[in-house]
Amino acid sequence: DTGVSQDPRHKITKRGQNVTFRCDPISEHNHLYWYRQTLGQGPEFLTYFQNEAQLEKSRLLSDRFSAERPKGSFSTLEIQRTEQGDSAMYLCASSLVGALGQPQHFGDGTRLSIL
Amino acid sequence: QKEVEQNSGPLSVPEGAIASLNCTYSDRGSQSFFWYRQYSGKSPELIMFIYSNGDKEDGRFTAQLNKASQYVSLLIRDSQPSDSATYLCAVNTGFQKLVFGTGTRLLVSP
Repeated sequence: DTGVSQDPRHKITKRGQNVTFRCDPISEHNHLYWYRQTLGQGPEFLTYFQNEAQLEKSRLLSDRFSAERPKGSFSTLEIQRTEQGDSAMYLCASSLVGALGQPQHFGDGTRLSIL
Repeated sequence: QKEVEQNSGPLSVPEGAIASLNCTYSDRGSQSFFWYRQYSGKSPELIMFIYSNGDKEDGRFTAQLNKASQYVSLLIRDSQPSDSATYLCAVNTGFQKLVFGTGTRLLVSP
């Protein structure tokens, strides 16, 4: 059972550039989540997919952020015109379907640094 | 008031002692509760989850939930230096997303 896979692990870019991250969930998990974590804080929810449908987006997800999950498998998170404040760890998690909140399993994250 | 509150610590315990980590939450509609361990520079790792009032034990870990008091705790018995990490409490309010506390840093000294 392979875990959640994220790519790249680290991304360093200049302010104003666009970046895209990829997440491959655990194969049988059809719920996929994106979170952002800054130093000293817990992860903050960004968005959630059930299969290919994006069902919830946080107000943290400005119009510079877009996420997709074509075909309900892997997901991408794109940040356009990056800003200094976008520097953070971007975490992807996946879970099974369930009436109660099922445990979410996290990938290793993508650490984004904006120069 | 923050939705999920934890004491940031550090909580220092000697090796072999019981570490008690606490978390309170504000949404009475919260349905499920999770404890994650996070080592520095790493991603959160699921330790325990609990849905019903009472205790749930898994090895050296016990999660305790009191919905009336809106309180959830994690006990770590026979603490080891390798348990030194930040412990994140997370709450699912019924909308799939998890709301995390800021975490409690645990230091276990040999």
